[in-house]
Amino acid sequence: ETGVTQSPTHLIKTRGQQVTLRCSSQSGHNTVSWYQQALGQGPQFIFQYYREEENGRGNFPPRFSGLQFPNYSSELNVNALELDDSALYLCASSLRQGSRDGYTFGSGTRLTVV
Amino acid sequence: QQQVKQSPQSLIVQKGGISIINCAYENTAFDYFPWYQQFPGKGPALLIAIRPDVSEKKEGRFTISFNKSAKQFSLHIMDSQPGDSATYFCAASPWAGNMLTFGGGTRLMVKP
Repeated sequence: ETGVTQSPTHLIKTRGQQVTLRCSSQSGHNTVSWYQQALGQGPQFIFQYYREEENGRGNFPPRFSGLQFPNYSSELNVNALELDDSALYLCASSLRQGSRDGYTFGSGTRLTVV
Repeated sequence: QQQVKQSPQSLIVQKGGISIINCAYENTAFDYFPWYQQFPGKGPALLIAIRPDVSEKKEGRFTISFNKSAKQFSLHIMDSQPGDSATYFCAASPWAGNMLTFGGGTRLMVKP
């Protein structure tokens, strides 16, 4: 059974650019969620996808968008990057219902905006 | 507002001692309370979780105590080891697999 894999592991972008982060869900999981973790803080929920549709969103602006594909993999897109977007972006997969185990997190993508 | 408050921010414990981390929540809709362990450069890993129908859950050296009336829960790490040195996060959600609200984290250092 494979876990959650994210790519790339590190990324440096310039303010104003766009970025796409990728995530492959754990086998058997059908829901994917994205979290932003600033340095020294707890993860903050960005949004969740289930059956290829957004299924909940945290307090993040529309320039944060996502996709979920039929194989349950996912992308996080951030447009018009700002310096404050520098953070560790975590992908987590889960079962929509019936799971006693909650989330499995990936190791994250460290995004630095300069 | 959905918040989870965690304390202390940092904790230093001697090897073999007990580490205690506390969390408090506000939203009574929360029904699933996990604890995550995070090492530098890694994502959070589920350590142990509890639902409010029980007051305590133990797995090995890790115990969650839950006080539903006070809306508080805590993690106890018995016989703390240097390998336990990491950042610990409490979290809460309406059910497992739903949006998690995390506490601010506790950086634990276990001294040999």
